[in-house]
Amino acid sequence: DTEVTQTPKHLVMGMTNKKSLKCEQHMGHRAMYWYKQKAKKPPELMFVYSYEKLSINESVPSRFSPECPNSSLLNLHLHALQPEDSALYLCASSQAQAMASKLFFGSGTQLSVL
Amino acid sequence: KNEVEQSPQNLTAQEGEFITINCSYSVGISALHWLQQHPGGGIVSLFMLSSGKKKHGRLIATINIQEKHSSLHITASHPRDSAVYICAVREGWTGGGADGLTFGKGTHLIIQP
Repeated sequence: DTEVTQTPKHLVMGMTNKKSLKCEQHMGHRAMYWYKQKAKKPPELMFVYSYEKLSINESVPSRFSPECPNSSLLNLHLHALQPEDSALYLCASSQAQAMASKLFFGSGTQLSVL
Repeated sequence: KNEVEQSPQNLTAQEGEFITINCSYSVGISALHWLQQHPGGGIVSLFMLSSGKKKHGRLIATINIQEKHSSLHITASHPRDSAVYICAVREGWTGGGADGLTFGKGTHLIIQP
């Protein structure tokens, strides 16, 4: 299994809603990533988890809250988002211990904040 | 922070043509990735390079570490190759941890039948 599965594929939410994005992989990867991608722009790194611990937070607003409950699962909890947070949210995973390892991406969650 | 430049930004070619996309970066790296993104979002990792050359089917990727430059070539291009091709670099290795990538802005490739 070389897949990274993201759910939901599409999400529409209001600014007062609380929602969660989910990412799952069963490749034994111990590094997992959240990226945000606006239309026609490259992905921007948000968070990196290594061995279920948060290792990088790229100054992301606290309305985005990541969680890594186990080595296969990565969540992104959303609360009080703004319309400018509308974007494609991509999850990725890789081997953590290798000096350089291939990234596997999910197909993303297209988020619209109204 | 690494600066990753890709050229060209947009490329339209006829089916069968040989395609070259270039990537240059400013700071030494541990690895360079070539990624493909089709409309609709999903990103596929095509190659990861730290030196030399790799080939997979009609795709060839090369890297010159001294010149801080990489190229992605597509031979016998086909309309299904139409996508955005993104170069991304990983700078260091945090001793067992994981770090993210710095992405180029992408090359939008259209192959016309």
